Amino acid sequence: ETGVTQSPTHLIKTRGQQVTLRCSSQSGHNTVSWYQQALGQGPQFIFQYYREEENGRGNFPPRFSGLQFPNYSSELNVNALELDDSALYLCASSLGTGNSPLHFGNGTRLTVT
Amino acid sequence: GENVEQHPSTLSVQEGDSAVIKCTYSDSASNYFPWYKQELGKGPQLIIDIRSNVGEKKDQRIAVTLNKTAKHFSLHITETQPEDSAVYFCAASKEYGNKLVFGAGTILRVKS
Repeated sequence: ETGVTQSPTHLIKTRGQQVTLRCSSQSGHNTVSWYQQALGQGPQFIFQYYREEENGRGNFPPRFSGLQFPNYSSELNVNALELDDSALYLCASSLGTGNSPLHFGNGTRLTVT
Repeated sequence: GENVEQHPSTLSVQEGDSAVIKCTYSDSASNYFPWYKQELGKGPQLIIDIRSNVGEKKDQRIAVTLNKTAKHFSLHITETQPEDSAVYFCAASKEYGNKLVFGAGTILRVKS
C-alpha cells in the first residue's frame, strides 16, 4: 500500500511569487485535504477536495486555491506569497468524506523570504 | 467555531512511567477525536482515535478516554519507551476524518 506522497519536500520562494505544491493520495483514497502547520503549532485546515471539487474550506484567503485530478492527486496553489505563508504544508487523504480517518504525508516545507 | 486546547505543552517522563495528555474542546457537536504523533521531519501519524459513542478505547500501551459532558478527552501512554518521544496532537471534528481542528501539541520526552 502506497502512502501519501508530497513534492517537493522543501521550497524557497520570494514574497509576491506564486507556488504550487503537489500531493498523491494513498492507494484507494479518493479525498484529499490540505493543512498548514506553522512552526510550533498544530495543523490548520485549508480545504478539502472530493470528486474534483472543493468540499469545505477553512479560514484562508482566496489566494489559496487547489485542484484535484481524476486520479485523486491534488495541487495546492498559493498566489502573492506573504512572509506568514512560511510553514509546513501537509496533505492528507481519506476514503470518502466522513468515512475514514485522515492519513498525512510528510509535508512540503515552504520558506518565503 | 471549534477550539481545542491541549495541556501540557511539554512533558518529560522517565522510561517505564506513564504519560497523560489532556485536551478540551468547545463545540458540543464534535464527535470524532483522533490523536496524532509527529516525529521530526515527518507528517502526523494517527495513533488512536475515538468516536463519541464510546467512552474509552485501548490499543496496547495507548488508551484514549472521552468525557462528552465535560468536553474533554485524554491520551494515556503506559510503560513509555524512548521511541515514544515526539510531538503529540489531539484534534476534534464533527465528521469522522473531516476538517480536523488541532490542539497546539505536546512535546513528550522519555528519558532513559
